[in-house]
Amino acid sequence: NAGVTQTPKFQVLKTGQSMTLQCAQDMNHEYMSWYRQDPGMGLRLIHYSVGAGITDQGEVPNGYNVSRSTTEDFPLRLLSAAPSQTSVYFCASSTLSYEQYFGPGTRLTVT
Amino acid sequence: AQKITQTQPGMFVQEKEAVTLDCTYDTSDQSYGLFWYKQPSSGEMIFLIYQGSYDEQNATEGRYSLNFQKARKSANLVISASQLGDSAMYFCAMREGQRNSGYALNFGKGTSLLVTP
Repeated sequence: NAGVTQTPKFQVLKTGQSMTLQCAQDMNHEYMSWYRQDPGMGLRLIHYSVGAGITDQGEVPNGYNVSRSTTEDFPLRLLSAAPSQTSVYFCASSTLSYEQYFGPGTRLTVT
Repeated sequence: AQKITQTQPGMFVQEKEAVTLDCTYDTSDQSYGLFWYKQPSSGEMIFLIYQGSYDEQNATEGRYSLNFQKARKSANLVISASQLGDSAMYFCAMREGQRNSGYALNFGKGTSLLVTP
């Protein structure tokens, strides 16, 4: 049981490039979400999903796109990277029970 | 408006002493959950403790307890008998009771705890 996995662990992009951060969970969790963590800001919600085929925006969705074609996977796409998207990205999943399980994070630098 | 407020950016505590990390929250929901997570320097988010809004008793997990004062909207984390390995960032978070929000969490900005020998 791997829990929540994220790839890559580190990534450097140039401004304007696009990329996809991968997130997968093997716990059959209904709910998945993406957060970004910036220094001094805590974690902020980017997008979330309440099930396959259903996604919605969180607090800071601009510049990001998501889809949820399967229960297991919830990729986050950066459409045209900007330096303001330099951050650490966490994927999380949960059921109706209380705990959110977090992936190990992806550290992204946009130059 | 900030839903979770952690007023202590940094705290020091001596090993074996107890420490309280403050958290206040703002919600109009009757059903909500409060969480504490630990983030060591390695970066992972480690779940520590949970308190439901309808729970009568304060939550406890080993050396961690949550001092839940509903009327004051506070959910302070108490760490007893601090250890050097407790040095980390600590985040308070709230999940409001709306299924359509994906049960996503609102986080505070965190408190950096340093345990000294």
